[in-house]
Amino acid sequence: GVTQSPTHLIKTRGQQVTLRCSSQSGHNTVSWYQQALGQGPQFIFQYYRKEENGRGNFPPRFSGLQFPNDSSELNVNALELDDSALYLCASSLDMGGTEAFFGQGTRLTVV
Amino acid sequence: DAKTTQPPSMDCAEGRAANLPCNHSTISGNEYVYWYRQIHSQGPQYIIHGLKNNETNEMASLIITEDRKSSTLILPHATLRDTAVYYCIVRAGGAAGSYQLTFGKGTKLSVIP
Repeated sequence: GVTQSPTHLIKTRGQQVTLRCSSQSGHNTVSWYQQALGQGPQFIFQYYRKEENGRGNFPPRFSGLQFPNDSSELNVNALELDDSALYLCASSLDMGGTEAFFGQGTRLTVV
Repeated sequence: DAKTTQPPSMDCAEGRAANLPCNHSTISGNEYVYWYRQIHSQGPQYIIHGLKNNETNEMASLIITEDRKSSTLILPHATLRDTAVYYCIVRAGGAAGSYQLTFGKGTKLSVIP
């Protein structure tokens, strides 16, 4: 399955944070989503074969990395209070018509 | 990707079938219909998807109308654990790596004992 770490995190405004995701074995595409309280998940960006391939309406201080060992990172610089949310990663194959599998998410609180 | 319209909430008696509708009147020929659900504070869980034909798996059935402008997710025997927000999403078959899912507000399904 897809696992994320840590499960919860508290950071101070202005700090930087790194969230981690371990994709399902064999999947070559990982996507990251932000879910604010009471809202549906919003697409941040996607990585395919270690390259960013698609980005939602998020500023450059949101960045990512995808590693060969099915793991990936989401980095957020200069944290703002509005960055407080549940961050979800999803992994999938690159074939059309396939499903994505989500992790349980990391709850980030910025104070 | 096409937009979807779902009722904001529905109730279903435990043990009965839950039928969740979704309207996607602007769907294109190469777009699939996906259903996910999210139990409180957990990650979305994949349920089922289809292109044209009706689909069934161990969790649910997906009925797509012939014109593909709407679909219905059927949970045949709802249990309390099926209480969740259900999202209907349409997404193109996609070029390699283009796996963006656009979530709306979904339907909050409450299964009543």
